[in-house]
Amino acid sequence: GQQVQQSPASLVLQEGENAELQCNFSTSLNSMQWFYQRPEGSLVSLFYNPSGTKQSGRLTSTTVIKERRSSLHISSSQITDSGTYLCAMTGYQNFYFGKGTSLTVIP
Amino acid sequence: GPKVLQIPSHQIIDMGQMVTLNCDPVSNHLYFYWYKQILGQQMEFLVNFYNGKVMEKSKLFKDQFSVERPDGSYFTLKIQPTALEDSAVYFCASSLRQQDTQYFGPGTRLLVL
Repeated sequence: GQQVQQSPASLVLQEGENAELQCNFSTSLNSMQWFYQRPEGSLVSLFYNPSGTKQSGRLTSTTVIKERRSSLHISSSQITDSGTYLCAMTGYQNFYFGKGTSLTVIP
Repeated sequence: GPKVLQIPSHQIIDMGQMVTLNCDPVSNHLYFYWYKQILGQQMEFLVNFYNGKVMEKSKLFKDQFSVERPDGSYFTLKIQPTALEDSAVYFCASSLRQQDTQYFGPGTRLLVL
């Protein structure tokens, strides 16, 4: 079965709105990472966040190990935030990606 | 941030031929990974590599696949022979520690005809 579930699958925002992306894991978690995948396919690491909360600019990641979930909050969205957001987890010697959330920010 | 390079960026090859994908990882990193992403589909783990050995591989890492990093040079993924279903983007990544941030290369787009 799917080890990593991401929601929503897609999201359209008006520029300036906030977004909350979710990632849920079906197995025990050793570490997790959030990525941004540009439309042309390249990956940018946003956060390595196995537990707790981390913030970088307009982005905040919160991972709650006991609840097997992680979230990515985007505040004051901009058109350049458009793309796919992926979460990935490592369990014991396994590394799984979610299917991603496709974000479109419109003017 | 740290950069991972991949060569070539694109490769077109006839089915049955051999192909080698090259990855230049972050210089002090010790763990290396290959992932496969078919167009429009999920990123999937292939293999990770440490200290000259495969640590773990997924069911996608077929017998036709092999990896090596001779003398600390490029980390390579070799497919021999290639099949049509090998067409995908292959991403290389590296990390300093096993449970640590993985930095990804831009990918090699492989098309098998």
